[in-house]
Parts: sequence; C-alpha cells; structure tokens
Amino acid sequence: GQQVMQIPQYQHVQEGEDFTTYCNSSTTLSNIQWYKQRPGGHPVFLIQLVKSGEVKKQKRLTFQFGEAKKNSSLHITATQTTDVGTYFCNNAGNMLTFGGGTRLMVKP
Amino acid sequence: NAGVTQTPKFQVLKTGQSMTLQCAQDMNHEYMSWYRQDPGMGLRLIHYSVGAGITDQGEVPNGYNVSRSTTEDFPLRLLSAAPSQTSVYFCASSRQGVGNEQFFGPGTRLTVL
Repeated sequence: GQQVMQIPQYQHVQEGEDFTTYCNSSTTLSNIQWYKQRPGGHPVFLIQLVKSGEVKKQKRLTFQFGEAKKNSSLHITATQTTDVGTYFCNNAGNMLTFGGGTRLMVKP
Repeated sequence: NAGVTQTPKFQVLKTGQSMTLQCAQDMNHEYMSWYRQDPGMGLRLIHYSVGAGITDQGEVPNGYNVSRSTTEDFPLRLLSAAPSQTSVYFCASSRQGVGNEQFFGPGTRLTVL
C-alpha cells in the first residue's frame, strides 16, 4: 500500500501557540483523512480531503491537501489543552495505511 | 447504536497461550479491520475484510488469524502469543468504498509475559 510519512513525530507547544503537522507521500494520493486520538483513547475521524489544493476549516483547525495530492497539513491556531493528543493522517486507499502520527503536547 | 465494540478491554497472557479478541459492529459496515498500536508508534494494519467471507492480510499479519462469518463480527485470533505481540489492538469498520470514515472501537490492551 501507499506509505505516508508524518512530521514531526512530537511537538511541545505553549498554550496559545500555533501547531502544524505534515503528511507526505512519494506517490499521488486518492484522498487523505485526518484522525485525532486523545491519550488513552481511540482514533476519531476529523475530516477527509479529496480535491487537489482543497482547504477545509473546523473552528481553529485548518486542513490542506497539496496541489499534487502528495502532501497534506493540519494547522491548529492558538492551541488549547483540549488539543492534546496524536494526530494521524490516513491514505484511505485499498490498504488503509496510516502515518506514524504527530503527538501534540500543550503546556498550560 | 453501540458502534464498534471490543472485548476484552484488558488481557494478560503467558507466552504460547492462544486467545481471541472480539470485535463487533452494529452499523452494517462492509469493511472491518484490525490494527495494532505500539508505544510511540502509529497504527499498523494486521488484517482486513471487505465483506463476510472475505479477508486479506495487512502490513503485519504474522501470528494472527481472522475470519468473517457475519457482517457484524470480525474476531482476531492469536495462535501462540509472544511478548512481541504486547500492544493495543484496535478494530475499525467503515462503509464500502474508498475513503469512507473509519469508526474505531475502544481497543484491547494486551500484555504477553
């Protein structure tokens, strides 16, 4: 299956700072999904991007799909302690492969 | 709807023991899959199924068996547990078709001594 790589692996931020995680692929992706997993919890679906250059927003979260459909990003504006968790991207192709995730820690 | 349920929530095994992790969903989803998540790592696909009677291997299938006799149930069997199988196991389901949202169960935390 198509592999996706996520960076960074970990990120510590001060509450109120912005945060961005990136998902990269060497091949063109049909679509990209983003999930959030709270500590001790299970992954929960956030959003799906399908179109080249697509941008979607959910409150303080902005999701982008690259023009070449080989990368995606999740940006959180003014992080809050409730944003703590691991964010995964998923190439929802045939093999349902997930990136390694970015663990976000927020210092109050 | 209960969504995706998994049992047990916690399990401790000795090396060489066998057991079955249960997964059930009540959303009539065609796709079901099993992932393992190791500390600090992402989700790795073990096995998946696109419908009753059809299963296929994922990235890390060795040491695990699955079957899909009904749409609702997708059990994962550990044939002879090894310490390397200590992990958190998640079951997920989704509607048929590429790109549908996956719904995850709460997970089973397995320790193999």
